[in-house]
Amino acid sequence: GAGVSQTPSNKVTEKGKYVELRCDPISGHTALYWYRQSLGQGPEFLIYFQGTGAADDSGLPNDRFFAVRPEGSVSTLKIQRTERGDSAVYLCASSSIDSTEAFFGQGTRLTVV
Amino acid sequence: AQSVSQHNHHVILSEAASLELGCNYSYGGTVNLFWYVQYPGQHLQLLLKYFSGDPLVKGIKGFEAEFIKSKFSFNLRKPSVQWSDTAEYFCAVEPSNDYKLSFGAGTTVTVRA
Repeated sequence: GAGVSQTPSNKVTEKGKYVELRCDPISGHTALYWYRQSLGQGPEFLIYFQGTGAADDSGLPNDRFFAVRPEGSVSTLKIQRTERGDSAVYLCASSSIDSTEAFFGQGTRLTVV
Repeated sequence: AQSVSQHNHHVILSEAASLELGCNYSYGGTVNLFWYVQYPGQHLQLLLKYFSGDPLVKGIKGFEAEFIKSKFSFNLRKPSVQWSDTAEYFCAVEPSNDYKLSFGAGTTVTVRA
């Protein structure tokens, strides 16, 4: 596609529910990143994929968070037993193998009530 | 782990005024440096980046930034701002042997016509 696409753009869920956030990277980009941006802060790294594998998941805050990228393209960030503190904008970015410039999507604004 | 500090939370100025946004980082090794911009309702976009070479780098829309290694700084400048420069600006640091961006908290710039 023309850019990184994230769906949904907004998600409101109840505390304790399970959510999935989707990222469709730029076609051909092998690297994919998830970041989380809380109100008044800059984005914080969550996880990095190179191809299908998670090369670095050190930023995931706890085991309620999990991400997959089964075919090396679309990625899904999954959050179990959501908590109010999970409310944030979740950003996805992708880059090509020969570039360090990351292209960001518009994000998914998650609100846990 | 590296950290990034942006000095100003919110800057308000008039059109044609000069802009300088401060950014300092803490990291002992070699880094790549970035400034990203987020216009209202849009996704994060790369303004400029520094990897090596000339410490004065020029980006899009008349922006430039200077890397001062001894001060661990990468300040962003624009000689004459326009109303369309109203946005949030993020400084980011990436260790040269890594791929994770560490962002500052961001500076909101409001340009009054």
